[in-house]
Amino acid sequence: SQQGEEDPQALSIQEGENATMNCSYKTSINNLQWYRQNSGRGLVHLILIRSNEREKHSGRLRVTLDTSKKSSSLLITASRAADTASYFCATNDYKLSFGAGTTVTVRA
Amino acid sequence: DADVTQTPRNRITKTGKRIMLECSQTKGHDRMYWYRQDPGLGLRLIYYSFDVKDINKGEISDGYSVSRQAQAKFSLSLESAIPNQTALYFCATSDTAFFGQGTRLTVV
Repeated sequence: SQQGEEDPQALSIQEGENATMNCSYKTSINNLQWYRQNSGRGLVHLILIRSNEREKHSGRLRVTLDTSKKSSSLLITASRAADTASYFCATNDYKLSFGAGTTVTVRA
Repeated sequence: DADVTQTPRNRITKTGKRIMLECSQTKGHDRMYWYRQDPGLGLRLIYYSFDVKDINKGEISDGYSVSRQAQAKFSLSLESAIPNQTALYFCATSDTAFFGQGTRLTVV
């Protein structure tokens, strides 16, 4: 089974709203990463948070990590139509393993 | 030129045929990965390599083999393709993965 699991599987929001998605994982990790994928193209790396970090920001992205609960969240603030994509968390426990992803649709 | 190049981009092959997917990178990374993506299942790790001639099985290695004869190249083979190997295949390098554009493989 996969190391990471995202929740929800799909999310539909209005432009300007915030989008939050969560990732749970099973084993100890060195870091956790979030990626974005547009319509079957290659994934693009968004942000990395190390196991000793609790929160990280990059532009409109905010990532949290709770290693005691083995969970992470990705918040996209002030969403735009261009944020429509699938988002994946990936855990690095010596190898890089991905979850099933959250599909985000931002309505104009 | 792309940092990670996959060939071919699309391929239709018949059941029982042998097929090789190629991946080459210009980043100089030691770590390379092969994933397959199926709708609703996200990315699943097939094989990974941390160095030349280093090969490690991922979660779904059955029916696949790989070769890492040079740092820049990591090839994936399907010895006898079957229809349930129809998927989108991605190669990635590094632990903050740089992805290729994917190979869409259809086995008929």
